[in-house]
Amino acid sequence: LAKTTQPISMDSYEGQEVNITCSHNNIATNDYITWYQQFPSQGPRFIIQGYKTKVTNEVASLFIPADRKSSTLSLPRVSLSDTAVYYCLVGDGRGSTLGRLYFGRGTQLTVWP
Amino acid sequence: GAGVSQTPSNKVTEKGKYVELRCDPISGHTALYWYRQSLGQGPEFLIYFQGTGAADDSGLPNDRFFAVRPEGSVSTLKIQRTERGDSAVYLCASSRGSSGEMEQFFGPGTRLTVL
Repeated sequence: LAKTTQPISMDSYEGQEVNITCSHNNIATNDYITWYQQFPSQGPRFIIQGYKTKVTNEVASLFIPADRKSSTLSLPRVSLSDTAVYYCLVGDGRGSTLGRLYFGRGTQLTVWP
Repeated sequence: GAGVSQTPSNKVTEKGKYVELRCDPISGHTALYWYRQSLGQGPEFLIYFQGTGAADDSGLPNDRFFAVRPEGSVSTLKIQRTERGDSAVYLCASSRGSSGEMEQFFGPGTRLTVL
């Protein structure tokens, strides 16, 4: 699976929009891009998944440029409760990977009052 | 509905002992996964079940680790002759489908401490 690179940490204030960018230069044609969120003492939780262009759900937006070598998770108007680790994952999970997920170290987002 | 549950939530054992960690997946989920997470790291894949069979056990670190899912629901991760390096949070996840399912639902984990 494609290796991903994302910032180790980010800081923001309540009410601001946060954008976390992930690089995946070796992404394969059939790879999807998925983001998970993890709070302390909890398992990761699926946030959003996309293949190209833009995907939006009730929690976040995912922006994927045409070359798909990077992606940006956008969290609108963050609150203190958005403080968590965010993982970017790349892989199709639809063939040889058999659904296993490869997590990197993630991005620790800290939201301040 | 109920999510993925794991028991115990915490387990402290001594080096050399045997431990079992249990995972109850979401009802109806055919795929079940075990991961291990060390402090400051992301979860690391251990093993994946599709139904009762282990479809991919390539992440198990050595033969001291073994997992079963005899009836295609509950799974048990077994660790023999525990070592201090086995200390970590062990996460279980389940999903509806098989290889095509990227959304995995995780339990809260079992924190294993080997003294």
